[in-house]
Amino acid sequence: ETGVTQTPRHLVMGMTNKKSLKCEQHLGHNAMYWYKQSAKKPLELMFVYSLEERVENNSVPSRFSPECPNSSHLFLHLHTLQPEDSALYLCASSQDGTGRDEKLFFGSGTQLSVL
Amino acid sequence: GDSVTQMEGPVTLSEEAFLTINCTYTATGYPSLFWYVQYPGEGLQLLLKATKADDKGSNKGFEATYRKETTSFHLEKGSVQVSDSAVYFCALSGTGANNLFFGTGTRLTVIP
Repeated sequence: ETGVTQTPRHLVMGMTNKKSLKCEQHLGHNAMYWYKQSAKKPLELMFVYSLEERVENNSVPSRFSPECPNSSHLFLHLHTLQPEDSALYLCASSQDGTGRDEKLFFGSGTQLSVL
Repeated sequence: GDSVTQMEGPVTLSEEAFLTINCTYTATGYPSLFWYVQYPGEGLQLLLKATKADDKGSNKGFEATYRKETTSFHLEKGSVQVSDSAVYFCALSGTGANNLFFGTGTRLTVIP
């Protein structure tokens, strides 16, 4: 148990659906992250929030929309996805996101399949 | 730009065998280096790290030495167990914040 909880664990959606991924951390951290894990590719950083402000967006398509209402919760809203967006989406948190030696704590991920 | 390259795998070993998973990096400046491990059905966990040249990170019998001359951070364990079966990710953190670069991961399976 890492203190970072993601729901749902699995999600199957059609290309016209709208769904949301949820992440909650119980560690008192101030920074939260979304990563995409695809087979045979490096883990891709999608979004970073520090103190609820987005500090990084790595050229992610607009069909992915993050929301960070407070330092404990992070959402990823999905709409009109493509089959190539099928992947494991991982949420992580860290103390404050400003130190290069900070340890990341990951959730178990949401396995997303887009049909 | 900054990046890490690790051996693709999958790697299959018998219990008590010696493990090496290679990782090399490209970076400007002096990055910190990490190994994260992902057990089945779980998220990534920090396994070990090294923050400067010649540092050795170690944890749970795993070791990795930060080699600046060869830009490498190979993961080793002298005697693997079935419980070590997981995916191992090499990563580096560069000079700016929020920029942890991960490799592709190497799947290790240890058979009894």
